Amino acid sequence: GQSLEQPSEVTAVEGAIVQINCTYQTSGFYGLSWYQQHDGGAPTFLSYNALDGLEETGRFSSFLSRSDSYGYLLLQELQMKDSASYFCAVGSGYSTLTFGKGTMLLVSP
Amino acid sequence: DVKVTQSSRYLVKRTGEKVFLECVQDMDHENMFWYRQDPGLGLRLIYFSYDVKMKEKGDIPEGYSVSREKKERFSLILESASTNQTSMYLCASSYPIRTGRPEQYFGPGTRLTVT
Repeated sequence: GQSLEQPSEVTAVEGAIVQINCTYQTSGFYGLSWYQQHDGGAPTFLSYNALDGLEETGRFSSFLSRSDSYGYLLLQELQMKDSASYFCAVGSGYSTLTFGKGTMLLVSP
Repeated sequence: DVKVTQSSRYLVKRTGEKVFLECVQDMDHENMFWYRQDPGLGLRLIYFSYDVKMKEKGDIPEGYSVSREKKERFSLILESASTNQTSMYLCASSYPIRTGRPEQYFGPGTRLTVT
């Protein structure tokens, strides 16, 4: 089976940097993905790491260490609109994803 | 832009009713998925399909069935709705992971209430 652990809530102020960690246990690994979900909205894809290292997409970066079964999402120059839930997810060979329970990010002025 | 649509945003059904939730995607994706989302539990996979007429159980298939007669359409069926199936239901689609395009595209969700 697969399980993921991520913090339930993180708070930060506008302009700051925040890191959301994710640790996983999996019997098969096909990459670590991150999704963003605003309240009342659908999850949207943010990033994907298949190999170790850092992937950067604008203000967001994602990191993976397969040997540590660990990854994180880094959000820079936080904006109010970044207030949302963030889910890490590990992929399987069937193209399915197992999601973590989500981290609610609250950005304050 | 990929578009995944779901038949209803809100649905209220009575215990014991048969419920159909429909999902349509316009990107010719092979894979389609049904999840339910409950507070504090994240997204849990109910069923998925990797081809027409093919289906596989996810983590929580009990009480549900699915149908995929056409590539673009994936239906979730609650044979006899129960109050513990009150939830947000999310449909998603994607290319196979072997394509190197792992992102799943989600529909807006159906909030189902069973009374």
